[in-house]
Amino acid sequence: DTAVSQTPKYLVTQMGNDKSIKCEQNLGHDTMYWYKQDSKKFLKIMFSYNNKELIINETVPNRFSPKSPDKAHLNLHINSLELGDSAVYFCASSQDPTNEQYFGPGTRLTVT
Amino acid sequence: AQSVTQPDIHITVSEGASLELRCNYSYGATPYLFWYVQSPGQGLQLLLKYFSGDTLVQGIKGFEAEFKRSQSSFNLRKPSVHWSDAAEYFCAVGAQSNTGKLIFGQGTTLQVKP
Repeated sequence: DTAVSQTPKYLVTQMGNDKSIKCEQNLGHDTMYWYKQDSKKFLKIMFSYNNKELIINETVPNRFSPKSPDKAHLNLHINSLELGDSAVYFCASSQDPTNEQYFGPGTRLTVT
Repeated sequence: AQSVTQPDIHITVSEGASLELRCNYSYGATPYLFWYVQSPGQGLQLLLKYFSGDTLVQGIKGFEAEFKRSQSSFNLRKPSVHWSDAAEYFCAVGAQSNTGKLIFGQGTTLQVKP
């Protein structure tokens, strides 16, 4: 019973392509997040949704667009991929913004 | 600005030895504090959290952490390390409680010698 799942686990693509990463949580949480972990393992929040509403939008290029079709899902679409987008992307969820976050297994994106 | 510093990038301890991983934060209000562990190729697992109350917090896998407001620290400890504890450890502070934004430290890599 995976609490927070992401697909795909690995994604290799070429510059200029458009790709999506999907995230689902079965914890009944109201809040979901996307984080980016760079090659030095530094983790930085990108987006946060609470009850399907965007509440955090960090300084992220507008090539990145999150979409939350319902409270259990938060997908990340990336247009015109660049080499610098190569990273591990983590989805997370929490009961609400004040509670601890549970992370998915990550999606390793490699842009060539 | 809020920030988290983990002064030790890499730590090596012998199996069975005690462990302390340091974490210092900068935050204007009462922080929410967390320790997460990341095994190779895995996601982050919550070890423990501090929201309020008792400043000594117990977590999973035998870990504990102590919140010291005067030192702006939230150090992680374990009395006896096991080889399976080898992983990356992240300290995080909840920067804005109404958004859930977490600010992470740069992580400490723990290596365990047999």
